Amino acid sequence: QSVLTQPPSASETPGQRVTISCSGGSSNIGSNFVYWYQQLPGTAPKLLIYRNNQRPSGVPDRFSGSKSGTSASLAISGLRSEDEADYYCAAWDDSLSGPVFGGGTKLTVL
Amino acid sequence: EVHLVESGGGVVRPGGSLRLSCAASGFTFDDYDMSWVRQAPGKGLEWVSGLNWSGSRTYYADSVKGRFTISRDNAKNSLHLQMNSLRAEDTAFYFCARNGELGMGPNFDYWGQGTLVTVSS
Repeated sequence: QSVLTQPPSASETPGQRVTISCSGGSSNIGSNFVYWYQQLPGTAPKLLIYRNNQRPSGVPDRFSGSKSGTSASLAISGLRSEDEADYYCAAWDDSLSGPVFGGGTKLTVL
Repeated sequence: EVHLVESGGGVVRPGGSLRLSCAASGFTFDDYDMSWVRQAPGKGLEWVSGLNWSGSRTYYADSVKGRFTISRDNAKNSLHLQMNSLRAEDTAFYFCARNGELGMGPNFDYWGQGTLVTVSS
């Protein structure tokens, strides 16, 4: 059971917008930054969003992050087939004194 | 270009030990905190351990505390994870990851390709 809660799956058609949620508590999302990772099949995770809503260099602006209270979300607009991947949220947990991840959301582009 | 290359994975019996290594290149190694993150086959990500730039502060997940030891050799640009008293539930791909801005935290800006550890009798 992951500390952060994500839906196990999401799907949408190409060109559309999809949102993936991440729910936590006061000791993690509620008091710390949220990060998002994309993991393509058979590869290592890649940092997608840092500090709630910042994109590393090279990440398209189709990807955006937001946070409100103890929840966060990742939005992907203009969906492409290459966006089909697993997406994970993460945050520092003050109670556990370490980073915690969500269980991951498998995105299918129909 | 940043490169992180893990080695040392393999098959080990329950109760056994294994030492993972991560060779870093393309950046000033001792400017960054580093971490190990694992992923059981077909499962999600789990942070395992991390340490600060000098190695003076170490952090462990409760699931490995007392069994795993993280260390680094800044002279050799390498990160290590000594894993003792291994259990079946430690079976996973182990990724070496660089902690980016803000130091220790879930800010893993570069990852290695991973090395597989299988604990089985």
